[in-house]
Amino acid sequence: QITLKESGPTLVKPTQTLTLTCTFSGFSLSTSGVAVGWIRQPPGKALEWLGIIYWDDDKGYNPSLKSRLTITKDTSKNQVVLRMTNMDPVHTATYYCAHRRILPDVTPFDHWGQGILVTVSS
Amino acid sequence: ENVLTQSPGTLSLSPGERATLSCRASQSVSSSYLAWYQQTPGQAPRLLIYAASSRATGIPDRFSGSGSGTDFTLTISRLEPEDFAVYYCQQYSGPVWTFGQGTKVEIK
Repeated sequence: QITLKESGPTLVKPTQTLTLTCTFSGFSLSTSGVAVGWIRQPPGKALEWLGIIYWDDDKGYNPSLKSRLTITKDTSKNQVVLRMTNMDPVHTATYYCAHRRILPDVTPFDHWGQGILVTVSS
Repeated sequence: ENVLTQSPGTLSLSPGERATLSCRASQSVSSSYLAWYQQTPGQAPRLLIYAASSRATGIPDRFSGSGSGTDFTLTISRLEPEDFAVYYCQQYSGPVWTFGQGTKVEIK
């Protein structure tokens, strides 16, 4: 059974760096074909893809955020970490992490965490 | 960036009716890597359809997806009370993924 859960601060100040951790179980990021991605959703608005990290440490980032975003993994702890610099009130959103696989078949995000609401305010 | 445009923005229907949701891409979606998600208030999205027409595990067969290239459709054959929600399409081909803006299916 695959589960994911996001953790981190629920309130950050403008210009600060946001660090969120996704802790998962039921799969390993050292297994070929597995990936974990991040998605956010401002209140009442649509989903936005942020980025993704693969078992082989390949990464993909939303070009609009690439300069501010870093995704890393700690395979031994079953965790993926998102760091986003220079936070702004417009970045207030629920942040989700989600599981993906490309083996044996290619899927998008088939399991999601519950999400964490991050408010950016002074 | 491959922009996805969903229509209509809101669909007002009664339980038992058929729902047809559209997702149009600004560029062709290669390998039909197009997915549909359902989101109810306060919940994370749930994967319904991937590869344009494959149902995810545990998804009832009243949900079906079709399309290729730039035009895709999600059909709910007979709406159940739990189907009233917001639906998003997503393309996951290439290095940059994008979501549509969502279609809300509400009770008429």
